[in-house]
Amino acid sequence: TQLLEQSPQFLSIQEGENLTVYCNSSSVFSSLQWYRQEPGEGPVLLVTVVTGGEVKKLKRLTFQFGDARKDSSLHITAAQPGDTGLYLCAGAPSSNTGNQFYFGTGTSLTVIP
Amino acid sequence: NAGVMQNPRHLVRRRGQEARLRCSPMKGHSHVYWYRQLPEEGLKFMVYLQKENIIDESGMPKERFSAEFPKEGPSILRIQQVVRGDSAAYFCASFRSSGYEQYFGPGTRLTVT
Repeated sequence: TQLLEQSPQFLSIQEGENLTVYCNSSSVFSSLQWYRQEPGEGPVLLVTVVTGGEVKKLKRLTFQFGDARKDSSLHITAAQPGDTGLYLCAGAPSSNTGNQFYFGTGTSLTVIP
Repeated sequence: NAGVMQNPRHLVRRRGQEARLRCSPMKGHSHVYWYRQLPEEGLKFMVYLQKENIIDESGMPKERFSAEFPKEGPSILRIQQVVRGDSAAYFCASFRSSGYEQYFGPGTRLTVT
């Protein structure tokens, strides 16, 4: 079973459009991180959200952590071809007794010029 | 990704051979995670290491796989008697002893023929 489910799995949009990517779980997380990964490279951290209901902005990217800390969303305004990549959410559940760090299933975004 | 080094970037092995993957963490980081990624998928936790200690290896297969992080030198992920199913990208990530943020290396792409 996958602890963090992301939707949609694939997304292809035109340059200038807006989009939202979702990351959902039935578990509570102490924090969630969002990464972007380009082909042939490792993931690059975009943001960490810690507080339930928290909203963070990074230029055209807006990240939100759900009030119950079980879900998060990433909204991109006026997408550009440079936003193309695999977006991953990740975190450790609050109930984690070990040290495992879980990644979501990923959303592969393609922005068409 | 700056600072975390992985080598080799690409590794081809025949079935039954051994694969050794190396990871040099960022300066000042004494903790390393190893992950495995299949195409178009998220990352799967394998093992969490601190210098000279295996903290959590619950994500790593019990047979053929081992990992170490010696006091001096890089962390090593070792796969003995590789099989085709071991073909994947293997990433390491390093972080300080506290804080949430992991920094990923560029990965090693293992192909078993």
